[in-house]
Amino acid sequence: AQSVTQLDSHVSVSEGTPVLLRCNYSSSYSPSLFWYVQHPNKGLQLLLKYTSAATLVKGINGFEAEFKKSETSFHLTKPSAHMSDAAEYFCVVSEGPGSGAGSYQLTFGKGTKLSVIP
Amino acid sequence: KAGVTQTPRYLIKTRGQQVTLSCSPISGHRSVSWYQQTPGQGLQFLFEYFSETQRNKGNFPGRFSGRQFSNSRSEMNVSTLELGDSALYLCASSLTGNSYNSPLHFGNGTRLTVT
Repeated sequence: AQSVTQLDSHVSVSEGTPVLLRCNYSSSYSPSLFWYVQHPNKGLQLLLKYTSAATLVKGINGFEAEFKKSETSFHLTKPSAHMSDAAEYFCVVSEGPGSGAGSYQLTFGKGTKLSVIP
Repeated sequence: KAGVTQTPRYLIKTRGQQVTLSCSPISGHRSVSWYQQTPGQGLQFLFEYFSETQRNKGNFPGRFSGRQFSNSRSEMNVSTLELGDSALYLCASSLTGNSYNSPLHFGNGTRLTVT
């Protein structure tokens, strides 16, 4: 079984300061991990994904995340926040091929709302 | 390339009625999956279709059903609506449905309100 915990439901940062959104996961198999972003009244957009290649993953809009197996974490970071980053962010886990799951059912975290103060 | 299109964008129904939501995937994508998003429960997986066959199903009652057509378009049906079915319903498509190497592309959702 797999699960995802996003440690903060709401994060507030000033424009130009670093962003850190925390995510811990649990999975019986080698997981795939994703971060998605959702702007108000929109669907989710993929920011980045980890699928057992490099542990430091670079995504769109300057975001990156580091997979740490020993800490079962996949935190999302950005060096400098922009007003347009204000949105809700979801950490997502999908169990890998060894799980036997036919279609890689996804489990979503509860989301972290990011506010950016001008 | 056109994105995932969901219709309608907004829907208001009464308890006990039924509703059908539609999703047109990105051209060439054969997998369509559906999710329910509510403030209390977050995003929950409903089901996934691939080449007209349901491959995976989440933990929802039988009132929630779906189908996929030969052109990969998908519909989701909810019968005997309850107040708790009020939610944003998101559809996502992918080339293979294998999130390991074929990420999901989401539509903007259908906001269903049950009164």
